[in-house]
Amino acid sequence: DAKTTQPPSMDCAEGRAANLPCNHSTISGNEYVYWYRQIHSQGPQYIIHGLKNNETNEMASLIITEDRKSSTLILPHATLRDTAVYYCIVRVAVGDMRFGAGTRLTVKP
Amino acid sequence: DTEVTQTPKHLVMGMTNKKSLKCEQHMGHRAMYWYKQKAKKPPELMFVYSYEKLSINESVPSRFSPECPNSSLLNLHLHALQPEDSALYLCASSARGTPGELFFGEGSRLTVL
Repeated sequence: DAKTTQPPSMDCAEGRAANLPCNHSTISGNEYVYWYRQIHSQGPQYIIHGLKNNETNEMASLIITEDRKSSTLILPHATLRDTAVYYCIVRVAVGDMRFGAGTRLTVKP
Repeated sequence: DTEVTQTPKHLVMGMTNKKSLKCEQHMGHRAMYWYKQKAKKPPELMFVYSYEKLSINESVPSRFSPECPNSSLLNLHLHALQPEDSALYLCASSARGTPGELFFGEGSRLTVL
C-alpha cells in the first residue's frame, strides 16, 4: 500500500471550510484514497473515498490532483463537532485498513 | 441495520483472568477485523477474518485468541494479559474485495490490573 503523509495538526474556525491535505506520491493506478475520522473515544467513522475524480457526499468533498499524488479533504462549514483525528489511507479495496498518525483537526469557536 | 455492536463497553480484568470481547454485525459482511488502540495513537490492525477464516494475524501474542463462529459474530478471547494490553479494542466489518466503507463499532475499553 502507498504511504501517506499528513500534517500532525490543524486548526479551523467554526463555520469556515477545513481543508485537510494528504500526500500519497507512490500511489498506484488501482489504489483508492480513503478518509476516516475518529472523534475522541469513538470508533473511526468513514467519510469518503475516491479513485481519480473529485467526490462529494453529505459530509465532505474529496479533491484528488490530476497526477493522484495528493488529495484534500474539504469540510465545507466546519462545526465544533468536526473536531477529530482525520486519517487518509490508500488501499486497493476496503480490506485491512492500516492507519497512520493522521491529522488532529481542532475547530475553534 | 448499519451497526457493529461491541460488548462489553468496559472490562476490567486481572492478569490471571479469562475474558472475551464480542462483536456482532448484521450487514451481511464477510470480512471482520480486530484493532487495538492505545491512548493518542492510531488504531493498529490485529486480526482479519474473511469468510469466517483467519486471513491476517499481525503477529499478535497468543494471549489474544480470535474466533469467528459465524459470519455475523467475532470474538476475542483474552487470557493471561499484561497491564500494557490495556487499550481500546475496536471491531470492524466490511464487504470483501470492493472499494467501500469499513464499519467500526464503538469499542471495548479494556483495563488489565
